[in-house]
Amino acid sequence: DIVMTQTPLSLSVTPGQSASMSCKSSQSLLHRDEKKYLSWYVKRPGQSPQLLIYEASNRFSGVPDRFSGSGSGTEFTLKISRVEAEDVGIYYCMQSIQVPLTFGGGTKVEIK
Amino acid sequence: QVQLVESGGGVVQPGRSLRLSCSASGFIFSTSAMHWVRLAPGQGLEWLALISYDRSNEYYADSVKGRFTISRDNSKSTLYLQMNSLRAEDTAVYYCASSDIGGSGLVRYFNYWGQGTLVAVSS
Repeated sequence: DIVMTQTPLSLSVTPGQSASMSCKSSQSLLHRDEKKYLSWYVKRPGQSPQLLIYEASNRFSGVPDRFSGSGSGTEFTLKISRVEAEDVGIYYCMQSIQVPLTFGGGTKVEIK
Repeated sequence: QVQLVESGGGVVQPGRSLRLSCSASGFIFSTSAMHWVRLAPGQGLEWLALISYDRSNEYYADSVKGRFTISRDNSKSTLYLQMNSLRAEDTAVYYCASSDIGGSGLVRYFNYWGQGTLVAVSS
């Protein structure tokens, strides 16, 4: 199984500042179709998980451009620019290049 | 708009069974691969099972293989999860999710999630 490792475990961010988190996979998520099968989700308190980024760097419909994703075959980053109070939650990366699909342990974002 | 509504959760004793349902609307259910994902207290998201749009393929996490069965009825736009031999560690909120499948046949992402249904396994 592909192991997804997220760091840090938690982040405390001042509104208006940026936040960055890492996700590393134990195997490359770059497929021969040249797509990276890495997506990012946020679980906000009291809400269902929501898709933010897919294929490592593509924002899903309706996701603010404050959210951006980047990365190579095994190392990925999610950045939130100009953090807002509504960004509180736990952020998860997930690989879907291989079954079983696996999530990282999550990074908790709190607002100072 | 897209809606996924889970039902069937509740409190159940260890070793017993439960069947969850997920009713879909607002998108073409019959062409979408579907999944079950859970979130246990104090834990992270855990993918459990996948069923292809036409029921030709099913995949499971090792933690539920042999105990849980995913199924679907496209005529009713409904996804199911039959959970047998339940254990305390199965206590979680269970979500159904739809996914987009790329040209390579791989899951690209989970585009829509239900609101979740709570399953508590306790004697």
